[in-house]
Amino acid sequence: QKEVEQDPGPLSVPEGAIVSLNCTYSNSAFQYFMWYRQYSRKGPELLMYTYSSGNKEDGRFTAQVDKSSKYISLFIRDSQPSDSATYLCAMRNSGTYKYIFGTGTRLKVLA
Amino acid sequence: GAVVSQHPSWVICKSGTSVKIECRSLDFQATTMFWYRQFPKQSLMLMATSNEGSKATYEQGVEKDKFLINHASLTLSTLTVTSAHPEDSSFYICSARGVGGAYEQYFGPGTRLTVT
Repeated sequence: QKEVEQDPGPLSVPEGAIVSLNCTYSNSAFQYFMWYRQYSRKGPELLMYTYSSGNKEDGRFTAQVDKSSKYISLFIRDSQPSDSATYLCAMRNSGTYKYIFGTGTRLKVLA
Repeated sequence: GAVVSQHPSWVICKSGTSVKIECRSLDFQATTMFWYRQFPKQSLMLMATSNEGSKATYEQGVEKDKFLINHASLTLSTLTVTSAHPEDSSFYICSARGVGGAYEQYFGPGTRLTVT
């Protein structure tokens, strides 16, 4: 079993839809949770950073962490074609800056 | 803030030659830099972690004599692929973390290496 599981997709949604992206993990020591967006042939871009459980909102993006269920989510409201990319979750525990990545979910927002 | 650059963005080399890739943190001091490899439609695979002035720590299965990493300053790390072979063709991405707010990893734009 992988430490971090993420559905690879692709996930296709119409423009304007609410997108829900998720990761599950097995290591209860993870404390820091990140979401990155990666366009084709580009480096990942940090979207959201959350410490421990709870919600965090930034514009159209909301990150949720449920440590009791070992489940994290990224919601994208009013999705746009420019949101089409691969979304990677990443997490680490407090003793290291080494990340464990999910496999990434490919998202396509159709105009 | 927290900008990381890589050079070159794309390089083609002949089998048996060596290639150097540079990773720079432009607006912060990077105490730690990471080097990743990514194959098409796959996630990032961590190759090594380097701290400024120290030897890099390589992940299991990564040949340290083939992938030479130097982190000579707080803003520059280099990855040299020695005696490159076609199977080394990949997308190489660096990330950096440091001080001044950039505590998590900020990624460079990546370098596409093609070995012919």
